[in-house]
Amino acid sequence: AQRVTQPEKLLSVFKGAPVELKCNYSYSGSPELFWYVQYSRQRLQLLLRHISRESIKGFTADLNKGETSFHLKKPFAQEEDSAMYYCALKSGGTSYGKLTFGQGTILTVHP
Amino acid sequence: EAGVAQSPRYKIIEKRQSVAFWCNPISGHATLYWYQQILGQGPKLLIQFQNNGVVDDSQLPKDRFSAERLKGVDSTLKIQPAKLEDSAVYLCASSTNRTGRNEKLFFGSGTQLSVL
Repeated sequence: AQRVTQPEKLLSVFKGAPVELKCNYSYSGSPELFWYVQYSRQRLQLLLRHISRESIKGFTADLNKGETSFHLKKPFAQEEDSAMYYCALKSGGTSYGKLTFGQGTILTVHP
Repeated sequence: EAGVAQSPRYKIIEKRQSVAFWCNPISGHATLYWYQQILGQGPKLLIQFQNNGVVDDSQLPKDRFSAERLKGVDSTLKIQPAKLEDSAVYLCASSTNRTGRNEKLFFGSGTQLSVL
């Protein structure tokens, strides 16, 4: 069975500090990993996906198959980054909406 | 573009009562999903529709939960009878196709259910 683990429920940093939200997964095949974000009073939305190898709002995430991790990083956190972040996994060959989510990490960026 | 619409926004019922949630996906989106999000947990997929057919309902508690998408557009999710542990936010999401590389999932605002 596939599983996504986000070990930190809460993460607090100061503005301008680096931030790393951890995500580990267990899956025997070739997974696709995503980060979703939910800002206060907004809907859950896609932040980035590993296959795109893109940087969104300064965030990057690299899939490390050896460590089965997909940590989300940003070198300089901003107050507007405060939100709930979910790591999600899609098993190969299935629909993009068929996701297994982690428990989420609440990121708070202090001024 | 208009987003995924869900109603009601909130619902409070007593255990053993019935409840129904409604979702209207983005126009043209063939695939629709219902997720359950219990407080402190990530969303968990309950059921997936492709047009008006069920693709995956393996995680739907079929003894009390049912869902339909009769005309391949709107969908309803029903719980009958409700239990205390059904208290959660029920999220609807939609997407255009099943396996497109650049596919994107759009979520609704959710219905927050409290079972007393």
